[in-house]
Amino acid sequence: DSGVTQTPKHLITATGQRVTLRCSPRSGDLSVYWYQQSLDQGLQFLIQYYNGEERAKGNILERFSAQQFPDLHSELNLSSLELGDSALYFCASSVEGAGGPSDTQYFGPGTRLTVL
Amino acid sequence: GQNIDQPTEMTATEGAIVQINCTYQTSGFNGLFWYQQHAGEAPTFLSYNVLDGLEEKGRFSSVLSRSKVYSYLLLKELQMKDSASYLCAVGTGGYNKLIFGAGTRLAVHP
Repeated sequence: DSGVTQTPKHLITATGQRVTLRCSPRSGDLSVYWYQQSLDQGLQFLIQYYNGEERAKGNILERFSAQQFPDLHSELNLSSLELGDSALYFCASSVEGAGGPSDTQYFGPGTRLTVL
Repeated sequence: GQNIDQPTEMTATEGAIVQINCTYQTSGFNGLFWYQQHAGEAPTFLSYNVLDGLEEKGRFSSVLSRSKVYSYLLLKELQMKDSASYLCAVGTGGYNKLIFGAGTRLAVHP
């Protein structure tokens, strides 16, 4: 157990819909990252937040958005869903997210999104 | 561009030693991470290297050569539970964005 929690574990929805994925970082971690992992694909970095502020963006679609709240939990919003958005979505957290030698990212259990 | 290469699949025998290689080409380098991922589960941190050399953690070791832009993960005394994907990732940029390789699927057989 990494200490990172994600809800829900599974989500099944239809094309065109909007969903929200939630992540709570490990106690003491200020930085949250979101990744997408499609079937047989590597982990794709989406976005990073640090202490409520967006820090880095990866290959995140305009239909997707995220935020980090004052209590440091984060939400990833996916809208106008398409079949190709079906994937595992992982959240990770680290202490600072500034690249220090011990700034390892710890991953939550993921949310499996299925778009029908 | 940014690229991380690792073999797609490997097989090995229980009790043996296996080496999983990773070469990288990234803009910036904050360190190289190895993660283990069982199917459908979260990646689990295995090791971190930022300087050339060896890091050992029990049955797992990782080696980095920055001059050769190369790392490998060594798994000793293989067990069936080591069957998983092994992900090589490089931290880049001022905020340690991780670039992941596609992963190496390791199958351990009796």
